[in-house]
Amino acid sequence: DIVMTQSPDSLAVSLGERATINCKSSQSVLYSSNNKNYLAWYQQKPGQPPKLLIYWASTRESGVPDRFSGSGSGTDFTLTISNLQAEDVAVYYCQQYYTTPYTFGQGTKLEIK
Amino acid sequence: EVQLVESGGDLVQPGGSLRLSCAASGFTFSSMSWVRQAPGRGLEWVAAISGSAGNTYYADSVKGRFTIARDTSKNMLYLQMNGLRVEDTALYYCAKRSIAFDFWGQGTTVIVSS
Repeated sequence: DIVMTQSPDSLAVSLGERATINCKSSQSVLYSSNNKNYLAWYQQKPGQPPKLLIYWASTRESGVPDRFSGSGSGTDFTLTISNLQAEDVAVYYCQQYYTTPYTFGQGTKLEIK
Repeated sequence: EVQLVESGGDLVQPGGSLRLSCAASGFTFSSMSWVRQAPGRGLEWVAAISGSAGNTYYADSVKGRFTIARDTSKNMLYLQMNGLRVEDTALYYCAKRSIAFDFWGQGTTVIVSS
């Protein structure tokens, strides 16, 4: 199984500042035949289901604000939230969909400082 | 409008069985998964069924106990859960997969307890 490890487990960032969440996979999720990273990011607010933010490691889902951006390749990935807004308070998960089992990171809780 | 509505969650004793359902609408039935979340915990993928051939895949934690199935004529997804354990207690989501899991239902709660 591919193990997904996020860091940090939690972080507090001031409004308007930048939040950075890291995700590391235990093996590469880059598929050589199409040069795509099978890595997604989700946002989950309390009492709600997860919401897809980013797929292919860096492609924003339709309707997701451009202050959310994803980067990285192979085994190391980053979700960056610029100009943090109050509504961004949530738990963020990375997930690999390269192969089953489609594993998630343990989650990173983002709060306002 | 895409909709996924789960149902069938309940309180069940260890060793019991339950069938979860997910009613899908607003899209052509595609690859689907069940994902669960234990109280206060993270997300755990449980099972998937492919859109074309209907191939099925399972997490090791449920293999041999759970069965994912679909009825494309009714746009329904199911999860038959047998031999339930206390550690299966969770909110169970069905999720639609286009590339990643791009739409999720609100979930249905399964509690396994004596």
